[in-house]
Amino acid sequence: GAGVSQSPSNKVTEKGKDVELRCDPISGHTALYWYRQSLGQGLEFLIYFQGNSAPDKSGLPSDRFSAERTGGSVSTLTIQRTQQEDSAVYLCASSLEGWDQPQHFGDGTRLSIL
Amino acid sequence: AQSVSQHNHHVILSEAASLELGCNYSYGGTVNLFWYVQYPGQHLQLLLKYFSGDPLVKGIKGFEAEFIKSKFSFNLRKPSVQWSDTAEYFCAVNLYSGNTPLVFGKGTRLSVIA
Repeated sequence: GAGVSQSPSNKVTEKGKDVELRCDPISGHTALYWYRQSLGQGLEFLIYFQGNSAPDKSGLPSDRFSAERTGGSVSTLTIQRTQQEDSAVYLCASSLEGWDQPQHFGDGTRLSIL
Repeated sequence: AQSVSQHNHHVILSEAASLELGCNYSYGGTVNLFWYVQYPGQHLQLLLKYFSGDPLVKGIKGFEAEFIKSKFSFNLRKPSVQWSDTAEYFCAVNLYSGNTPLVFGKGTRLSVIA
C-alpha cells in the first residue's frame, strides 16, 4: 500500500522567505511525527500529533517553526523567515495508535536555504 | 532526558565478515528499542524492534539485536554481511507508553566492500 508521502522532495529558497512542507501519512495512522536530519545533529524530533492535536511540541527549535494537522490526516510544517541553519532534510513519520506501533517514515523534504 | 549513543561513526567490512554495531541509551525507565536502516537514496526503514519478552530479537535480512538491560545496550548483529547491506543504521528509543517520539542515535555508516 501507499507509504508516507512528503512534498516537495526538494526545496531551495532564499534566506528570510517562508516555506511550507507537507506530509500525507499512511491512511488510518492517527499519530504523526516531524523530525529533521542534519549533518552533525543526526535525527531530531520536532513535533508530534495525535489526531489533530499536538501533545508534544518540545522539539520545535524556535517560534519561527509551526505545524498543523487538519482532518486527522495531512500535516503542514511551516518555517517562517528561514535561516541558513534551517537547511536539513525534514522527515515525517506516522503510526497507528498504541505503544507497540512502529513509526513509518517518508522520503523527506530536502530544504536548502541560500 | 533520553539519549542514544552509537559508538561507531563509520564501519568498513568485507563481504562475509560479521557485524556488530553498538548502541547504548540512557534512561532509567522502560523503553522500546528500534534499529532503522537507510539505504542510499531511500527512506528510513524499520529493521527490528524490541518491546518486551525475549531480549534477542530477530529482524529482516538476517539481522538480530540483543537487549541487555543491565548494560542499557541494544547492539545490532549480523553473522555475514553482504554488499547490499551498505547503508546507514540508526538506533532509536522511545518511552514504553503510548505513542511517543523517537530519540535517535547519530547513526553508523556501514560500507561493505567486495
